[in-house]
Amino acid sequence: DSGVTQTPKHLITATGQRVTLRCSPRSGDLSVYWYQQSLDQGLQFLIQYYNGEERAKGNILERFSAQQFPDLHSELNLSSLELGDSALYFCASSVTGHEQFFGPGTRLTVL
Amino acid sequence: AQSVTQLGSHVSVSEGALVLLRCNYSSSVPPYLFWYVQYPNQGLQLLLKYTTGATLVKGINGFEAEFKKSETSFHLTKPSAHMSDAAEYFCAVILPYNQGGKLIFGQGTELSVKP
Repeated sequence: DSGVTQTPKHLITATGQRVTLRCSPRSGDLSVYWYQQSLDQGLQFLIQYYNGEERAKGNILERFSAQQFPDLHSELNLSSLELGDSALYFCASSVTGHEQFFGPGTRLTVL
Repeated sequence: AQSVTQLGSHVSVSEGALVLLRCNYSSSVPPYLFWYVQYPNQGLQLLLKYTTGATLVKGINGFEAEFKKSETSFHLTKPSAHMSDAAEYFCAVILPYNQGGKLIFGQGTELSVKP
């Protein structure tokens, strides 16, 4: 158990809908990272937050957004969902900026 | 730009045989390198990491990796495979913190272990 929690574990929704994925980092970790894992793209970095502020952006679509709250949990919002958004979404947290601890992931299926 | 290439998307070994998973990196700065393992339907677990210092790094579950700067490689090995080692393995390099500190992953290598 990495200490990073993600909810929900599975999410099934329809095209055009909006969903919110939640991540709670390890106690004391200020950085939260979001990654997407899909068969065709592999593991890709989406976005990073540090102590409530956006620190870095990767290949994140404009339909996706995220935020980190004062209690350091983070949410990834995915809107206008398309079939291609079906993937595993991982959250990771870090205190050092080097070693990242991954949550169990949320499997999103868009039908 | 940093990048990682894993040679072989699928490796199959017999139980008790040597495991060798290959990883080459490209980095414009001294790299920090990682190996993660992903068991079916689970998240990623850190196996080992290289930051600075000793180039032979030991990790969990009997795995180790050697950083070879001259070959820009960070291959993962285990002397004797167990059935429980069957999983997908990812090599990764991390960007400097002032560039976001994000992990750049290789494509992954699926390891199968035959009885």
